[in-house]
Amino acid sequence: QQQVKQSPQSLIVQKGGISIINCAYENTAFDYFPWYQQFPGKGPALLIAIRPDVSEKKEGRFTISFNKSAKQFSLHIMDSQPGDSATYFCAASTGRGSTLGRLYFGRGTQLTVWP
Amino acid sequence: EPEVTQTPSHQVTQMGQEVILRCVPISNHLYFYWYRQILGQKVEFLVSFYNNEISEKSEIFDDQFSVERPDGSNFTLKIRSTKLEDSAMYFCASSASGGATQYFGPGTRLLVL
Repeated sequence: QQQVKQSPQSLIVQKGGISIINCAYENTAFDYFPWYQQFPGKGPALLIAIRPDVSEKKEGRFTISFNKSAKQFSLHIMDSQPGDSATYFCAASTGRGSTLGRLYFGRGTQLTVWP
Repeated sequence: EPEVTQTPSHQVTQMGQEVILRCVPISNHLYFYWYRQILGQKVEFLVSFYNNEISEKSEIFDDQFSVERPDGSNFTLKIRSTKLEDSAMYFCASSASGGATQYFGPGTRLLVL
């Protein structure tokens, strides 16, 4: 069972454009939703994260939008740059219960930003 | 800035051999994790470790796998008898608490021949 579904699988955006990646989850016990950025040959690096008590979080050019009722969250990258070209993973975890801290990852989105 | 480190960066081994992957988590963190990523696929949870014992393990983490914190700084993943399908990138992660941000190391690329 796929706990976190991510789309699209790949995304091509022109420099300066907006990149949007979407994720959906099923488990209502999830209470922490991070986005990770991964460059080839490197480990995932935390980009931005949100908890379900807010509907939006913005850090620089990166914004997470969160819809608790729809069990969906998305990453928006404004003014996309070639240096943003990477694989982006959404993830979810719960801070309680037997699966404490375990991150469930989406399948990833390969973002390419053309100059 | 504190970071998670992993050694070796690459490991090539023959099927059936034992491998030990090593990690040094961030010093004040209490929760430790191993994940793996088969080439081109998503990151998958293997095991979490807290207070010197396994908190949770996935279905991937069978009897061939074990984890240990042999001293105050290292966290290891041992695969007793490697299989071809164990070839993957293995990531160690640590966090200050169970529901907090996990910081990932750079990974060990394991190739089983």
